[in-house]
Amino acid sequence: DAKTTQPPSMDCAEGRAANLPCNHSTISGNEYVYWYRQIHSQGPQYIIHGLKNNETNEMASLIITEDRKSSTLILPHATLRDTAVYYCIVAGDSNSGYALNFGKGTSLLVTP
Amino acid sequence: DGGITQSPKYLFRKEGQNVTLSCEQNLNHDAMYWYRQDPGQGLRLIYYSQIVNDFQKGDIAEGYSVSREKKESFPLTVTSAQKNPTAFYLCASSPRLAEETQYFGPGTRLLVL
Repeated sequence: DAKTTQPPSMDCAEGRAANLPCNHSTISGNEYVYWYRQIHSQGPQYIIHGLKNNETNEMASLIITEDRKSSTLILPHATLRDTAVYYCIVAGDSNSGYALNFGKGTSLLVTP
Repeated sequence: DGGITQSPKYLFRKEGQNVTLSCEQNLNHDAMYWYRQDPGQGLRLIYYSQIVNDFQKGDIAEGYSVSREKKESFPLTVTSAQKNPTAFYLCASSPRLAEETQYFGPGTRLLVL
């Protein structure tokens, strides 16, 4: 069972910010929000994760709402190489098991 | 460079044949995982290993076998008992089991002839 809901697809113009939303209304107190992406025919790549504070690294920013029921991944200046499927994953609780539930993610297309 | 390597990139299997997919990591991670991905779908866990000489079945282990004789290696054998083996196979590792930041290899695409 997917614990997150993401739009199936989004478009973004090159050079603009890409904002990818994720709903996780059943997240528990000790679960983290993780984001991975998968470029076609490659292995998934870790992007960022957070618990309740906003996080930023060299790849992206993660904004988590105060009630933790949703989050947004921000790619500040999207490039063509950012075209990929982006997965929002909730994990960290002992009941989560040892697999990452990738679901179907959001297919982001960055256009010239 | 540290990372995970998988070989081959493409693999063809004849009906009734066993094939072995290689996965090697030099990240000094204790935990390793095998996933299967079908077109348009997410990843499903086949087997995982917490430490050398230990491994456990995941959600779809039937028709697969693994070994973990060395820390850096976790090969997956797709046996003839796996009736629908055509898929994209991904190997991953993490510092410890249930460490959710997993690092993935480039994948092996298996096709049945």
